[in-house]
Amino acid sequence: DIVLTQSPASLAVSLGQRATISCRASQSVSTSSYSYMHWYQQKPGQPPKLLIKYASNLESGVPARFSGSGSGTDFTLNIHPVEEEDTATYYCQHSWEIPWTFGGGTKLEIK
Amino acid sequence: EVKLVESGGGLVQPGGSLRLSCATSGFTFTDYYMSWVRQPPGKALEWLGFIRNKANGYTTEYSASVKGRFTISRDNSQSILYLQMNTLRAEDSATYYCARDGALREGFAYWGQGTLVTVSA
Repeated sequence: DIVLTQSPASLAVSLGQRATISCRASQSVSTSSYSYMHWYQQKPGQPPKLLIKYASNLESGVPARFSGSGSGTDFTLNIHPVEEEDTATYYCQHSWEIPWTFGGGTKLEIK
Repeated sequence: EVKLVESGGGLVQPGGSLRLSCATSGFTFTDYYMSWVRQPPGKALEWLGFIRNKANGYTTEYSASVKGRFTISRDNSQSILYLQMNTLRAEDSATYYCARDGALREGFAYWGQGTLVTVSA
């Protein structure tokens, strides 16, 4: 199974600054055309919400302050400028091969 | 509007069984793969398996942690997804989500609100 390692496990970012979350896969999840890595935001008591698909494609309705990058085994979610409502836990997930797996999550606090 | 609504969760004894349902609407059910994902309290998400769409023969795939104990099925006439869970263990206690998946492996754009399963004596 592909293991997704997220870092950091938690971070606190000042309002208006940048939050950067990393996700490293135990093997490549990219072709020359697509990276099968997706990012979710989850707030307490709610289901996850898809933010970014295929590593860098912003899901419809998601604010442009969210962006994703990376390929192969290393991926990054950036949020800039962070807002109060971005307080949540963020997960990466691959769909390269079965089983799909998720990262362990990164809890974001806004200072 | 796409909607997914899970039901069937509750308290069950170890070794028992439970069947979860996910009623869907707002899209052509047979066009989509459908997945189940769970989340133990305070822990990360875990994909359990999916059932493919009509074009791919409604076949299923499972994670190793539930293969042989859990079965995913679908009633395409009523647009309902099911998760039959047998031989339940304490570690199966979690919120269970259904999510719309796809043949393009594009991630889960739609989720239900989840249903809580507690396995305890």
